[in-house]
Amino acid sequence: KQEVTQIPAALSVPEGENLVLNCSFTDSAIYNLQWFRQDPGKGLTSLLLIQSSQREQTSGRLNASLDKSSGRSTLYIAASQPGDSATYLCAVPISSGSARQLTFGSGTQLTVLP
Amino acid sequence: SQTIHQWPATLVQPVGSPLSLECTVEGTSNPNLYWYRQAAGRGLQLLFYSVGIGQISSEVPQNLSASRPQDRQFILSSKKLLLSDSGFYLCAWDREGGQPQHFGDGTRLSIL
Repeated sequence: KQEVTQIPAALSVPEGENLVLNCSFTDSAIYNLQWFRQDPGKGLTSLLLIQSSQREQTSGRLNASLDKSSGRSTLYIAASQPGDSATYLCAVPISSGSARQLTFGSGTQLTVLP
Repeated sequence: SQTIHQWPATLVQPVGSPLSLECTVEGTSNPNLYWYRQAAGRGLQLLFYSVGIGQISSEVPQNLSASRPQDRQFILSSKKLLLSDSGFYLCAWDREGGQPQHFGDGTRLSIL
């Protein structure tokens, strides 16, 4: 059974700092890994999807890396801003035919202080 | 562009009452559809998924059921709600080929 762990559970940084969020998974036979952002009381916003054949994926100030063999992914946020404050979740899919049921980590709650 | 809608946004129901949450997707055809629940202090848990009309797979035994009467419509139901059904319910969709999964804004369900 796939298990996904995110460390740290919470992180508080001053504005402008670069930071790294960690995600680890126990079964390295994954199709891809997706990073999401969740604001309080809201749904999930997809940030980055990194395919199993990729090592990195970038979108603006965000960079996700994937190391399948070690079962790890990181989300790098450059020049953090107060608007980046949210819970960040990583998820990996379990395939069942054409469906991709996601297994989620418990998230990292990020607070960026102005 | 594709959009996903969930309603209602918030719902307060008494124990033992029925439930119907609806999710619709626009701008795509034949999506995979998913229902997740996010309970306080617990992570996101997949409840049901569907790869086509009338095709429902359940991930956990529970008091809930799902139906897909139309290609882009996914409904979560219960005949009698329990206190333990409280939580934040999220609908999601994706397509084949390793595309990202996209989520709706969720329904906050409180059982009294």
